[in-house]
Amino acid sequence: AQTVTQSQPEMSVQEAETVTLSCTYDTSESDYYLFWYKQPPSRQMILVIRQEAYKQQNATENRFSVNFQKAAKSFSLKISDSQLGDAAMYFCAYRWRETYKYIFGTGTRLKVLA
Amino acid sequence: GAGVSQSPSNKVTEKGKDVELRCDPISGHTALYWYRQSLGQGLEFLIYFQGNSAPDKSGLPSDRFSAERTGGSVSTLTIQRTQQEDSAVYLCASSLAVTGTEQYFGPGTRLTVT
Repeated sequence: AQTVTQSQPEMSVQEAETVTLSCTYDTSESDYYLFWYKQPPSRQMILVIRQEAYKQQNATENRFSVNFQKAAKSFSLKISDSQLGDAAMYFCAYRWRETYKYIFGTGTRLKVLA
Repeated sequence: GAGVSQSPSNKVTEKGKDVELRCDPISGHTALYWYRQSLGQGLEFLIYFQGNSAPDKSGLPSDRFSAERTGGSVSTLTIQRTQQEDSAVYLCASSLAVTGTEQYFGPGTRLTVT
């Protein structure tokens, strides 16, 4: 069965510093997508970044980047120059290309300290 | 354009009552998902609609849960004879097609069963 694990229930980072959120997954498939979603207190889930498994290059979106280690089945999110608005729950998600089902981790709550 | 909308934003109901939760997907999005998010948990898949195909109901936790999608657009999730364990945030998401990789989420409905 495919699973997604986020082992850090909560993380804190000082404003302007860098933080890394961990995510590991288990799958026997080779072609899939990985995602990081942000859920602020408003509950609105927002896509932060997406990685396609066949692409070796790590995805980057402004201050957000990933470290995708396919062999290790690891997909961590790095947030640089953290801002107060980055405080939220962050969910890692997996989707096998051949299906429409997404599998989500249990989330990491990120606190940003002023 | 408008995003995914859900109503009501919050719903408090007594145990044993029926409730209906509504989702308006983004216009033109053929795929629609319902998820349940319990406190401290990740997103639990409930049901998936794609165009005129039969929905995937494999995630519905019991026969008290049902959903329909009228005209390929608006969807309603119905919970009959609500129980306290049904208390959660119910999220709806839509996407362009089965092969579309990005889901767009609504703000969710927080259901509280007293």
